[in-house]
Amino acid sequence: GAVVSQHPSRVICKSGTSVKIECRSLDFQATTMFWYRQFPKQSLMLMATSNEGSKATYEQGVEKDKFLINHASLTLSTLTVTSAHPEDSSFYICSAMAGGRIDNEQFFGPGTRLTVL
Amino acid sequence: QKEVEQNSGPLSVPEGAIASLNCTYSDRGSQSFFWYRQYSGKSPELIMFIYSNGDKEDGRFTAQLNKASQYVSLLIRDSQPSDSATYLCAVNEDGTASKLTFGTGTRLQVTL
Repeated sequence: GAVVSQHPSRVICKSGTSVKIECRSLDFQATTMFWYRQFPKQSLMLMATSNEGSKATYEQGVEKDKFLINHASLTLSTLTVTSAHPEDSSFYICSAMAGGRIDNEQFFGPGTRLTVL
Repeated sequence: QKEVEQNSGPLSVPEGAIASLNCTYSDRGSQSFFWYRQYSGKSPELIMFIYSNGDKEDGRFTAQLNKASQYVSLLIRDSQPSDSATYLCAVNEDGTASKLTFGTGTRLQVTL
């Protein structure tokens, strides 16, 4: 299957700092990338959908000015958590999809665990 | 608000038994249904998807879909300790894999 990488895998930062998370599709071109957040013992919650070269579409309740998403190329999307606070501590997972057909699955990255002190 | 419901478990089954995982969804217009496995601290991996009523088999896994009852299940035959994980049901309203709504997952424990 297709491989999606995320970097960093784990980050600890101080409150008020910004953190950038990279998501890369390594062996395919991702027309669409998704960003999820997962709190302990909860499900994945979709934060936003990004298409290469266009602005991300954010889910209701997700602050676009706080979670900046850039999908600059067909293999790279970045999520920047600006002015992070302890309540932003979570497991952030990206996924990438090559097309819109039902058999084009979402390939998930390994996730980034963010801890804000 | 689209909802996907799963029993959080844990569901405990002995090695070699059949594990049955269930999922219900609220949006009657949903068209595609996915089962993911997630090990602790890891990201989800796709087991299989189904979009037609009935059964779909893949190795030890069988997905069952009943759109009239808004119910999808996953059966795991000959359960192995390595199957111990959280199983996430995900639903989408159109015929693609985009914009999935995930359930909270069922934790499966396969005991020796």
